[in-house]
Amino acid sequence: QQPVQSPQAVILREGEDAVINCSSSKALYSVHWYRQKHGEAPVFLMILLKGGEQKGHDKISASFNEKKQQSSLYLTASQLSYSGTYFCGTETRDRYQLIWGAGTKLIIKP
Amino acid sequence: DSGVTQTPKHLITATGQRVTLRCSPRSGDLSVYWYQQSLDQGLQFLIQYYNGEERAKGNILERFSAQQFPDLHSELNLSSLELGDSALYFCASSLTNRGTEAFFGQGTRLTVV
Repeated sequence: QQPVQSPQAVILREGEDAVINCSSSKALYSVHWYRQKHGEAPVFLMILLKGGEQKGHDKISASFNEKKQQSSLYLTASQLSYSGTYFCGTETRDRYQLIWGAGTKLIIKP
Repeated sequence: DSGVTQTPKHLITATGQRVTLRCSPRSGDLSVYWYQQSLDQGLQFLIQYYNGEERAKGNILERFSAQQFPDLHSELNLSSLELGDSALYFCASSLTNRGTEAFFGQGTRLTVV
């Protein structure tokens, strides 16, 4: 049930782009994206509810491919503040659970 | 500040003991989720309540139990504690039982010695 995130870790230079993927083996109702800094609570980035939906703010955006049961998070022109662990959370159509992927650790170097 | 309050922030207790973690959801939110996060690990779903009723259960041990009260605050009870129960326990709340943003509390760090 747990969504699969890839890659497990990414190291970037400031200003580079990154893509984090999240896939599920089950039909998805929603995909949630959060960022967590070490020792802190996860912070909401965005939620996608419809297939084909794309959202974004600042230089972080995401897409949801309902047919493939996949979502991707795009970080462009990365900033030092983007460092942290990114989690995707999914709700499937058949169960009322918000289940999280294992996370993708993003390290941004100056 | 997410509006979700968890108490206590830190808890140190001995093996075999029982503790209660408390969560006050954001005003107006009906759903409460409990998660366990071990050191540098992901978020393990424990249990979800919606408007006082258990809605979903994850990999919650039998030694653990939870409830949501009429005022919507929730408590997670951990008993017969083992060293492996040491972790950060997060509570999150959301407006409905699915499809809405979940707001996380700052967590309770439990250390079992």
